[in-house]
Amino acid sequence: EDQVTQSPEALRLQEGESSSLNCSYTVSGLRGLFWYRQDPGKGPEFLFTLYSAGEEKEKERLKATLTKKESFLHITAPKPEDSATYLCAVQVPNSGYALNFGKGTSLLVTP
Amino acid sequence: SAVISQKPSRDICQRGTSLTIQCQVDSQVTMMFWYRQQPGQSLTLIATANQGSEATYESGFVIDKFPISRPNLTFSTLTVSNMSPEDSSIYLCSVLPQTGVKTEAFFGQGTRLTVV
Repeated sequence: EDQVTQSPEALRLQEGESSSLNCSYTVSGLRGLFWYRQDPGKGPEFLFTLYSAGEEKEKERLKATLTKKESFLHITAPKPEDSATYLCAVQVPNSGYALNFGKGTSLLVTP
Repeated sequence: SAVISQKPSRDICQRGTSLTIQCQVDSQVTMMFWYRQQPGQSLTLIATANQGSEATYESGFVIDKFPISRPNLTFSTLTVSNMSPEDSSIYLCSVLPQTGVKTEAFFGQGTRLTVV
């Protein structure tokens, strides 16, 4: 069974304190791995899609990387506005083009 | 990217009634999906909305409870029927502008449903 596990469940950082969020997956034939940001009461906001091991993508203070078993979302010098839940999802051929989500990491960045 | 408008954004409904949620996209998209996000949980796929034919439902979701329409490439509705408090969730529309080797999936803002 395809599984997506995110860790930690919650993370509290001081402003400027860099860290990484983890998304490990066990799937048959990864088509793509997606990262989203979700603010309370809102829909997920698309951040990145990674397609093959070794691929990296960056956006402002965020950098996503992918290996054959996991993905990391690195947050460099975070600011309070980076506080949100970060969701990881995988897309696999046997589920059509739908996404299978992890439970997310709730990030709080304090001033 | 695709801009998705979902209505209503929130509603409070009496048990036993039904609510229809609309999803309008600003451009034609290949695929549309409906997800549910229960309180404190991640997203669970309800069904794939197929244009011009019956939706494809995931295990645990049935057409009588969650009828879905998709009359064209930019619009879909999800109805939550005969509601109970257990249906209180956020319902999200998602689209794939195109399929193929590399795809991006976008979400609407969600409909927060409370059943009393």
